[in-house]
Amino acid sequence: NAGVTQTPKFQVLKTGQSMTLQCAQDMNHEYMSWYRQDPGMGLRLIHYSVGAGITDQGEVPNGYNVSRSTTEDFPLRLLSAAPSQTSVYFCASSLRLVRDNEQFFGPGTRLTVL
Amino acid sequence: AQTVTQSQPEMSVQEAETVTLSCTYDTSESDYYLFWYKQPPSRQMILVIRQEAYKQQNATENRFSVNFQKAAKSFSLKISDSQLGDAAMYFCAYRSRQGAQKLVFGQGTRLTINP
Repeated sequence: NAGVTQTPKFQVLKTGQSMTLQCAQDMNHEYMSWYRQDPGMGLRLIHYSVGAGITDQGEVPNGYNVSRSTTEDFPLRLLSAAPSQTSVYFCASSLRLVRDNEQFFGPGTRLTVL
Repeated sequence: AQTVTQSQPEMSVQEAETVTLSCTYDTSESDYYLFWYKQPPSRQMILVIRQEAYKQQNATENRFSVNFQKAAKSFSLKISDSQLGDAAMYFCAYRSRQGAQKLVFGQGTRLTINP
């Protein structure tokens, strides 16, 4: 298994540009989520999904869209990038119905918005 | 809403010695999970240890152990026989047992190992 993969690893955008951060997992995990990591603030939940076709907002959803058309993929869209979205983004996944399950994290995407 | 606080932005320890990282949390729930994650310079988030709130026994994983004080809402991580490879950011995290599996993270503690 490749686990949780994220592309790209690095990205530089100009203010107002749009882009999609890709996340995929090959473990048949129902639960997938996106976090952002900012210095001194730990990781904060942006959006999450408990299965294909089901998504919900986390703690900091503004400026981001998600969809979950398949179990494997959970892309994060920035419609109009802003400098405040400069951050490191992590995707994570886990089995939903297993007690005491572990969330597996991708390697992260470092995004800079100029 | 739950919150997690790590009051030590940075810690350092001599190689082979023991260090304890602190974490406190706030919740009104009685059943939940607590985690410690390690993030080395590679940025990969690695699960170090987990604790279920209903279990009174403290979790241990080789050189890593926790001191879970439910009434005090405290969850510290002890690293014994510190090794150079332990140098990393360490994050404490909370997850409710009910509902979606959302993790709430603390701000992190940067651990330096001095040779």
